[in-house]
Amino acid sequence: AQKVTQAQTEISVVEKEDVTLDCVYETRDTTYYLFWYKQPPSGELVFLIRRNSFDEQNEISGRYSWNFQKSTSSFNFTITASQVVDSAVYFCALRNDWNTGNQFYFGTGTSLTVIP
Amino acid sequence: DGGITQSPKYLFRKEGQNVTLSCEQNLNHDAMYWYRQDPGQGLRLIYYSQIVNDFQKGDIAEGYSVSREKKESFPLTVTSAQKNPTAFYLCASSIAGQVAAEAFFGQGTRLTVV
Repeated sequence: AQKVTQAQTEISVVEKEDVTLDCVYETRDTTYYLFWYKQPPSGELVFLIRRNSFDEQNEISGRYSWNFQKSTSSFNFTITASQVVDSAVYFCALRNDWNTGNQFYFGTGTSLTVIP
Repeated sequence: DGGITQSPKYLFRKEGQNVTLSCEQNLNHDAMYWYRQDPGQGLRLIYYSQIVNDFQKGDIAEGYSVSREKKESFPLTVTSAQKNPTAFYLCASSIAGQVAAEAFFGQGTRLTVV
């Protein structure tokens, strides 16, 4: 079975604090991709990053960084020096070849509020 | 600009009515998806389609129907059989058969039963 768990339902931080959003996944497939999306108040999900199951290198993009650890089945997302514009709901997702539909399996999302 | 267009943005439905949500994409994607979003429940898959004239049920298909007569279009009908249709509906598309491909989303339709 495929499953993505985002245990943090809501997080509030004060501007300029660092914050980490957790994502834990389950899959029996050896080939899969993990994604992070941002959903601002406007509603549209915006793609942030993908990571394949064979690449455990961490990635940094500006204030964003991602830590992928297969040993713990986690793909965590850290925002450094948070800003008010980072306030949104963030979703982690898994996609693999196991099912014919190439479905995306989404976590329940983490709502981040950055307080000025 | 390429993208996905959902309409309307807000929709109100009376009890017992069927309503249709529109989803159009010009990204030349074969795969299209409908998700329902409720507070605290993330995105739940309603239907998906990988090719024209073919579609499959997702996890919560009861009370919904779809069609895929054109590659660009994947409308969702919320029927009167759907007992609790008030939710935010998101349409997405992606390249089919490529697990690395991300999904592109529309801006959503917020449906309210009145």
